[in-house]
Amino acid sequence: EFGVTQSPATLSLSPGERATLSCRASQSARSYLAWYQQKPGQAPRLLIYDVSNRATGIPARFSGSGSGTEFTLTISSLEPEDFGVYYCQQRSSSPMYAFGQGTKLEIK
Amino acid sequence: EVQLVQSGAEVKKPGESLKISCKASGYSFTSYWIGWVRQTPGKGLEWMGIIYPGDSDTAYNPSLHGQVSISADKSSSTAYLQWSSLKTSDTALYYCARGVGATNRAFDVWGQGTMVAVSS
Repeated sequence: EFGVTQSPATLSLSPGERATLSCRASQSARSYLAWYQQKPGQAPRLLIYDVSNRATGIPARFSGSGSGTEFTLTISSLEPEDFGVYYCQQRSSSPMYAFGQGTKLEIK
Repeated sequence: EVQLVQSGAEVKKPGESLKISCKASGYSFTSYWIGWVRQTPGKGLEWMGIIYPGDSDTAYNPSLHGQVSISADKSSSTAYLQWSSLKTSDTALYYCARGVGATNRAFDVWGQGTMVAVSS
């Protein structure tokens, strides 16, 4: 079944630390893998598309990597405003889109 | 400024019909795909469908089994999500979002969301 699985469900870190979030696709994502950040009461915000391309206005501390079915979002040094829920999203050729269940990044 | 502005919250009863809207501004409406995504506490983010306003080409999530319809009006730069018969399980926060590039492989601009509550 087409889908993506994120891990961990929750990540507790302190400002200044490095965050690593994982996303596993059920089938090869080619390069159609994106990451979003969502804060309470707000719509999701696109961070990364095509695995590693930062969206407009996204700081350089956010980076994406991976290939095939394994992908990673890395935040090199957490800022207080980075806490929230992060989703990965894959697009198939049909087209179909699948979102992960999210990783909650919380302040330790 | 590129913007998607959605219609306001709705409270409906099961079996009623509903059409919510997403008005685009600040870019060429007919040149970008518009997708609809719903969010619920239990199922997270779920893609519902997508439309290319230029020619009204659409694609739907097969899991919805034809329960919704997506349309677009070029004259008003507005996309729509429509139900003919609502169910309580349609209670959710609905977002419209613009597709990135010709292959719409991600969504770069999002509306503010429309809350739909369906209850008897």
